[in-house]
Amino acid sequence: GQNIDQPTEMTATEGAIVQINCTYQTSGFNGLFWYQQHAGEAPTFLSYNVLDGLEEKGRFSSFLSRSKGYSYLLLKELQMKDSASYLCAVRDRGNTPLVFGKGTRLSVIA
Amino acid sequence: KAGVTQTPRYLIKTRGQQVTLSCSPISGHRSVSWYQQTPGQGLQFLFEYFSETQRNKGNFPGRFSGRQFSNSRSEMNVSTLELGDSALYLCASKPSGRVTGELFFGEGSRLTVL
Repeated sequence: GQNIDQPTEMTATEGAIVQINCTYQTSGFNGLFWYQQHAGEAPTFLSYNVLDGLEEKGRFSSFLSRSKGYSYLLLKELQMKDSASYLCAVRDRGNTPLVFGKGTRLSVIA
Repeated sequence: KAGVTQTPRYLIKTRGQQVTLSCSPISGHRSVSWYQQTPGQGLQFLFEYFSETQRNKGNFPGRFSGRQFSNSRSEMNVSTLELGDSALYLCASKPSGRVTGELFFGEGSRLTVL
């Protein structure tokens, strides 16, 4: 089976850095995705990792370790607008559907 | 370029009724996937269609069905509604040939079953 775990909720301060972890157990691996979803809105794509290492995109970075079944999303210089749910998703092979974790609700406080 | 459009955005039904939800993908996207989102279970995959053919199916009962038309628009149907079907139903489209294969989501149809 497939299992994706991430913390349910996190709180961080405006201007700070926060790391959201995701661990996964899948039969195969063909990419890990992070999505952001503001309340009442559509999930939007943030990042994609298929090889080990860090992918940086502005204030957001995503890291992958395939041997450990582990990824994290790093958000720097937090802003109030970063308050949202962050969804980790894995594709285990080919064109199989993305399997999502339950999401981490991040609250950014002043 | 217009995004993924889902209709209706909100609807209320009673137990035993049936419902049809519609999704128009981004122009040129031929793959359409449907997900059910609930607070307790997160996003759970329902089915994926590509060129009018169901390519993948999730672990949902037969009351959940879908189809895709020649213009790539898709519909999903839920028959004999149960209280537990109350959820946000998200549609996502995907372009062909992109290495990352990320999904582009619509804003969803929020179904409440009373």
